[in-house]
Amino acid sequence: NAGVTQTPKFQVLKTGQSMTLQCAQDMNHEYMSWYRQDPGMGLRLIHYSVGAGITDQGEVPNGYNVSRSTTEDFPLRLLSAAPSQTSVYFCASSYSWGGTEAFFGQGTRLTVV
Amino acid sequence: GQQVMQIPQYQHVQEGEDFTTYCNSSTTLSNIQWYKQRPGGHPVFLIQLVKSGEVKKQKRLTFQFGEAKKNSSLHITATQTTDVGTYFCAGPARGSSGGSNYKLTFGKGTLLTVNP
Repeated sequence: NAGVTQTPKFQVLKTGQSMTLQCAQDMNHEYMSWYRQDPGMGLRLIHYSVGAGITDQGEVPNGYNVSRSTTEDFPLRLLSAAPSQTSVYFCASSYSWGGTEAFFGQGTRLTVV
Repeated sequence: GQQVMQIPQYQHVQEGEDFTTYCNSSTTLSNIQWYKQRPGGHPVFLIQLVKSGEVKKQKRLTFQFGEAKKNSSLHITATQTTDVGTYFCAGPARGSSGGSNYKLTFGKGTLLTVNP
């Protein structure tokens, strides 16, 4: 069991570039989410999904897109990277929406220059 | 919307001292979860509390859920250097779509450092 796998682990982008952060889980979890972590700000929810084909916005969704075509995958797209999107990004999955343990990926450290 | 507030933001202790972090929600929670994140690592689930007034222990860690289910605490007895990290509480909040659509909202965390 790999759990939650995020790729890449590190990425440097230029302002205006786009990219996709990948997240895959092999636990057949319905609920998946993306968080960003900045110093002193904790974990802020970007987008989440309660199942294939269903997504919703979190606290800080602007500048990010998501889709959920399969149960296993939940990619996060940065449309036009900005320095304010420099952060550590975590993907998480859980069996249900908020009543069970969330499993986190190893994180992606993104720097936008 | 629901907010989960956590205090203190930072706590530095001498090894062997006790440590407590507190979590407060603006709304009643159906459950609360606690996570630990080691420096450079990812959050790892510690425990979930569901019942009003519930107390659970894991070795030197004691978790409490308030009677009104709006606050919680994590207490570590006799801290060790292995306890270093950031401790987060998290609770479910209703999503914008309503219905059974919920999202997991985290507090800002308490960073614990331990001086050996």
